[in-house]
Amino acid sequence: NAGVTQTPKFRVLKTGQSMTLLCAQDMNHEYMYWYRQDPGMGLRLIHYSVGEGTTAKGEVPDGYNVSRLKKQNFLLGLESAAPSQTSVYFCASSYSRSQRRVPDTQYFGPGTRLTVL
Amino acid sequence: QQQVKQSPQSLIVQKGGISIINCAYENTAFDYFPWYQQFPGKGPALLIAIRPDVSEKKEGRFTISFNKSAKQFSLHIMDSQPGDSATYFCAAIEFTGNQFYFGTGTSLTVIP
Repeated sequence: NAGVTQTPKFRVLKTGQSMTLLCAQDMNHEYMYWYRQDPGMGLRLIHYSVGEGTTAKGEVPDGYNVSRLKKQNFLLGLESAAPSQTSVYFCASSYSRSQRRVPDTQYFGPGTRLTVL
Repeated sequence: QQQVKQSPQSLIVQKGGISIINCAYENTAFDYFPWYQQFPGKGPALLIAIRPDVSEKKEGRFTISFNKSAKQFSLHIMDSQPGDSATYFCAAIEFTGNQFYFGTGTSLTVIP
């Protein structure tokens, strides 16, 4: 099992450019999440998905869009990148409560370091 | 508003000592409190977790103490080792409302 994988690992964008970050998991998890990690801010939830075809906003959703067309994939899009979006982005996945009787943990990918100039 | 407040921001401990990291929360609806360990260049990984109906959970050298009335929980690392040097995050989760909040992290350095 690869667990949670993220592509790309690094990316540099110019202000106004767009890009898509891909997250894939092979654990049959229902839930998937996108976080950003900034110094002194910890991890902040951008968007999440509780199943294929469904997405919801997290704590800091502005400037980002997501799609969950397949259960194993969760895409994060930046339509017009801004320097404030320079960050490390982590994807995570977990079972849903219907899949397991007790709350489960989130499994994180290795991260994507994005720099917006 | 920070939903989960974590302290200290950084911590230096001698090998063999006890490392203590504290977190506090406000929302009594949280029903799961995990701690994550993160090494440089890696994603966070679950270390240990507790539910609010338990006051303490121990796994090896790692212990979570949970005080429901004070809305605080802490991570204790006994016999700290240089290999424990990492950033530690607490989190508070409410599954029904899909609320997921992390603390700001504590950078732990264990000196040999």
